[in-house]
Parts: sequence; structure tokens; C-alpha cells
Amino acid sequence: ETGVTQTPRHLVMGMTNKKSLKCEQHLGHNAMYWYKQSAKKPLELMFVYNFKEQTENNSVPSRFSPECPNSSHLFLHLHTLQPEDSALYLCASSLRDDGYTFGSGTRLTVV
Amino acid sequence: GQNIDQPTEMTATEGAIVQINCTYQTSGFNGLFWYQQHAGEAPTFLSYNVLDGLEEKGRFSSFLSRSKGYSYLLLKELQMKDSASYLCAVRDTGGSYIPTFGRGTSLIVHP
Repeated sequence: ETGVTQTPRHLVMGMTNKKSLKCEQHLGHNAMYWYKQSAKKPLELMFVYNFKEQTENNSVPSRFSPECPNSSHLFLHLHTLQPEDSALYLCASSLRDDGYTFGSGTRLTVV
Repeated sequence: GQNIDQPTEMTATEGAIVQINCTYQTSGFNGLFWYQQHAGEAPTFLSYNVLDGLEEKGRFSSFLSRSKGYSYLLLKELQMKDSASYLCAVRDTGGSYIPTFGRGTSLIVHP
């Protein structure tokens, strides 16, 4: 357990479904991130929240919608996904510009 | 942005020493991270280098040469549990403090 908890660990969803991924940290970190990890590709930064404010959105399709209600919780809402969106979705948190603490990820399969 | 290159896969024998290289190109360097990621698990922080030289932490050491745009992670007395993916990530001095990740090197340790 790293201190960053992601649920669910595994998710299978149809292209017409709506689901949400959850991330939670109680490390006192002020920044939270969503990354996508696909096979043979570098980690792709999706969204960054600093003190609950979104500071980066790396040209992510609108079918991915983040939400950060407070500095300890981060959600990724999913709707009308495509099979190519199947990947490991990692949440991370950090204190200012220190190194990241990652969650174990949600393995998403879109069918 | 950065251009980060590391080998895709390496194999080594238990008890041996292995060196995983990472080269990068960036307009303004501001730190290099190494992370370890076991299959299905969270990436975990190994080291952070911002100045030239060797940083040693037990069986793991990380080296940086800023003038050459080069780092390596050295793993000594390899154990089977060291089989994992090793991610190099570079941060630059551009507005964002967020590092860019390489594709990772998959290390297989065999008996």
C-alpha cells in the first residue's frame, strides 16, 4: 500500500456505459494527477490538479472527465469509451515538485 | 518537452550487476527520476538526481551527467524480485514542474 488508493482495481465496461474511477490520498499532498499507461508506451499525463484546481489538460478527449472535490480525492468519469482506451489508469500525488506517489492503478478494458 | 530514450528490455542473472541507461534531450534540465514498477503494481520511487555524480542507496545507485544528457541506474547483487520495469523521467525548467516519462526498461532476472 503506497498511501494512494485507487478503486476499482479492474473494470470492464461496454462502449455505451458510464463509470467512474476513484483515487484517494491522505498523505497531505497538494497535487494529484491522472496518467494513462498503455503497453509499450510511456506514461501519458492526462490531468493535473493543484490545490483542487485543474492546471493541465493534455488534449484528452472529452469522454474522460476529471473531478477533484478536495485535495484528497480525485475522480475520472468515463463515458462512451472506445476499445483503444483500454489501459492501466494510474493516479499519483505529490507535494509541490517532489517525487510522485502512485496508486496501483485501475486496469480498464473497454469491450 | 523532452526526448527520453531507454532500452526496451534487458535480461540478467541472479547475483550479477546490471546497468540501465537513459538518455534525454531537454532545453533546460531540472531533475531526473527513476521509478520501479512490478507488473500490476504502482510505480515506486527509487532515486532523484539533479546534480552530476553518483547517488548510492543500498543495492541501487543512480548516476547523472548533465553535459551528456545521460543517466544510468545500477543494480547490484541482483535478486529475482528485481524483475520489473524501470522508468526514467525527466523534468525541465519550462513552466511545469511535471516530469516526462520514458517508455521504461523491462528487466528480467533469471536464476
